[in-house]
Amino acid sequence: SQKIEQNSEALNIQEGKTATLTCNYTNYSPAYLQWYRQDPGRGPVFLLLIRENEKEKRKERLKVTFDTTLKQSLFHITASQPADSATYLCALGSGGSYIPTFGRGTSLIVHP
Amino acid sequence: GAGVSQSPSNKVTEKGKDVELRCDPISGHTALYWYRQSLGQGLEFLIYFQGNSAPDKSGLPSDRFSAERTGGSVSTLTIQRTQQEDSAVYLCASSSQGFTYNEQFFGPGTRLTVL
Repeated sequence: SQKIEQNSEALNIQEGKTATLTCNYTNYSPAYLQWYRQDPGRGPVFLLLIRENEKEKRKERLKVTFDTTLKQSLFHITASQPADSATYLCALGSGGSYIPTFGRGTSLIVHP
Repeated sequence: GAGVSQSPSNKVTEKGKDVELRCDPISGHTALYWYRQSLGQGLEFLIYFQGNSAPDKSGLPSDRFSAERTGGSVSTLTIQRTQQEDSAVYLCASSSQGFTYNEQFFGPGTRLTVL
């Protein structure tokens, strides 16, 4: 069955460092992958989308990579700030599907 | 403009009662999704509406769950004869035109607690 794995353990890093979060998948051939941020008590907020034919996408301090051979996406936040502390969700979608499948998310804690 | 709104923000009910959760999507968005999020779990897809097409109900966990969308705008998720395992945060999201790659805009959710 399709499986999406995000590290269940929180990632603790120091302010100013680069945070790297991982999204692995199995038994899946996604056409696209999205990353969302979720703060406590709020709904997820869209950050970035990357398509299967794209290797890398950037937006300000954010960078996403998509390796369909490794079946993995990496989400990087450079020069991290305490305000970046949140849970980050990846979501995968197949071509023609309007309904992405979400991972459980990884909590990021940036210490000042 | 206003984002996606949901009401109530919190709902406490007794086992066996029916509940209705409301979602107001972003104006002009034709696609609307309902998800459920339990503690430590990912978002569980429930139902998808796109324009006037028949909804995709493939994620509804039982026949106690139903949803409707009136006039292509406001949606109501109804849970009949609630059970304790229904306790979760129910999230609504909308998207423009329902393209496969389109980002979803989420509401703040309704936290349902079944006693």
